[in-house]
This record gives sequence, C-alpha cells and structure tokens, in this order.
Amino acid sequence: GQQLNQSPQSMFIQEGEDVSMNCTSSSIFNTWLWYKQDPGEGPVLLIALYKAGELTSNGRLTAQFGITRKDSFLNISASIPSDVGIYFCAGQGSSNTGKLIFGQGTTLQVKP
Amino acid sequence: ETGVTQTPRHLVMGMTNKKSLKCEQHLGHNAMYWYKQSAKKPLELMFVYSLEERVENNSVPSRFSPECPNSSHLFLHLHTLQPEDSALYLCASSQEQANYGYTFGSGTRLTVV
Repeated sequence: GQQLNQSPQSMFIQEGEDVSMNCTSSSIFNTWLWYKQDPGEGPVLLIALYKAGELTSNGRLTAQFGITRKDSFLNISASIPSDVGIYFCAGQGSSNTGKLIFGQGTTLQVKP
Repeated sequence: ETGVTQTPRHLVMGMTNKKSLKCEQHLGHNAMYWYKQSAKKPLELMFVYSLEERVENNSVPSRFSPECPNSSHLFLHLHTLQPEDSALYLCASSQEQANYGYTFGSGTRLTVV
C-alpha cells in the first residue's frame, strides 16, 4: 500500500533558526497536506497543496508540492518556542478519494 | 460549537470497565475516523465510517467497538482493555470526494490501569 517517509524524525533547534522537513512517497499523490499537533491536542491543518510545483506560504511556514508529485517539504523560518510540536505530512492519492496517508511525524523542540 | 468535539478529554479506566468515547462534528462532513496515537508512534487508523457505514476496520481488537448512529456522531465503545491500549484517541471528519483534508478533534487521553 501507499506509504510516506517523513524526515527527520525529530529536531532540536535554537530559537531563531530555520527548520526544514520533508516527506517522500513511492506513489503519486494529488494533494499534500501539512499538519501540526501541539502537545495534548489533535493535529491542525497548516498548509494544503494541490498542484505539482505549487509553493504556498502561511506566515513563517512555506511548503512545496514536489514536481514529481511524490514528495513535499515544509520550511519554518525564524523558529519561536511556540513552534514546538509534532508536524505531520499527509498525502491524498487518486485511488483513495478522501483517504489520507500520514507520515510518521517530525517532533520539533525549540530552545529559547 | 464548531469543528470536531471529543469527550471526555481524559479518561482513566480499569481493565474490567466499560466506557465510551464520543465524537461530534458540526462541519457537515460525511466521513468520520478513529485514530490511535501512542507515544513515539505514528498515527494508527482504526476505523473509517463513510455515510454512516463502516468502510474500514484495520485489524482492531474486538475490545474496541465503533458506532456511528448518524453522520454527526461517532462513538468508540471500550471494554476489557489492556494497559497497552493507553493512548491518545483522535477522532477526525472529512468531506469525501473533496481534498480538503481531515479536521481533527482534540483527542481523548486514555489511561488503562
């Protein structure tokens, strides 16, 4: 079945640093989504990408839909302590309308 | 209320207890999901309901029993659980045939003692 490989698994950075994480798949996806989960809460949608090559920003967050449709990355610029949490990528393929495949998550810790 | 609401937020239960988790969505979505999230593990899809019919059951033990009485409500009935079932249980909803992703609830933190 479809799987997503998300990396890195965890990151520990200094406040103010930029962060980059990515997801790759062996299958093509039609939609890529990035979620953030704060401690003790459910994941919240950050950015949705619908076209290959699409680059979308949401404040200090920027995500891209890879041109091959098999990967996506998320960048966070000038990190702040409230960026702490788990970031999940999710892909939606053409064969499973509506069903999302999730990555394993990237745990981000920010040192003030 | 808007979005996806899960109750209770926290639950401690003994292995012989019977309890239920509740999820309610006010988004007009037609699909609902139960996920299990254990520490240091990825999200595990448990059940999928589409138009109130169960369309997916990912080899979940029978001590977990879902119920979807209507498109806005989803329950997870729990009985004779094991300590390893302790986890965050997340409910989500979506609009099938659309590609806007899932909306998650805040989860129920379950501890089995």
